Amino acid sequence: KQEVTQIPAALSVPEGENLVLNCSFTDSAIYNLQWFRQDPGKGLTSLLLIQSSQREQTSGRLNASLDKSSGRSTLYIAASQPGDSATYLCAVSMTTDSWGKLQFGAGTQVVVTP
Amino acid sequence: GAVVSQHPSRVICKSGTSVKIECRSLDFQATTMFWYRQFPKQSLMLMATSNEGSKATYEQGVEKDKFLINHASLTLSTLTVTSAHPEDSSFYICSARDETSGGPSTDTQYFGPGTRLTVL
Repeated sequence: KQEVTQIPAALSVPEGENLVLNCSFTDSAIYNLQWFRQDPGKGLTSLLLIQSSQREQTSGRLNASLDKSSGRSTLYIAASQPGDSATYLCAVSMTTDSWGKLQFGAGTQVVVTP
Repeated sequence: GAVVSQHPSRVICKSGTSVKIECRSLDFQATTMFWYRQFPKQSLMLMATSNEGSKATYEQGVEKDKFLINHASLTLSTLTVTSAHPEDSSFYICSARDETSGGPSTDTQYFGPGTRLTVL
């Protein structure tokens, strides 16, 4: 059974610092891994999707890496801003599932202080 | 980008009543939609996979008679919480799979804004 873990559970940094969020998974038979952002009381916004054959994806200040063999992904957010404050979730879809179901980690709650 | 809507965004009901939540894909067709619930400070837990024109597939431990799912068209799935009780209070989120990319490894899921259910 796939287990997705995110460390740390919460993180507070001053504005301008780089953020490093970690995600690990126990079963490497994944189709892809996605990073999402969730604001309080809101739905999810997809940030980056990494295919199982890829090593990283980049979008603006965001960079996500994937090491499938070791079951790890890292989300880097450069030069953090107060607007980056949110909960960040990672999720994987499995090759054993044809519907594309996602299994989520518990999230990392990020606070960026001005 | 693609948009998924949910209605209502917030509902408060009395114990014993039924509540229907709608999930719509606004600018794409979705054969497959997913329903999740999220407790405070916890992650999303998949409840069921909703397939257009067929019965939903429920995750282990989810009561199918309690959480009725109907996916009657390619743009609409509904979740009905029957005989709701306080323990059903939660944040319910749907997602829809945009299947134009060619397969589950590349399809993007778009999430609705969520529905906050409070059962008194």
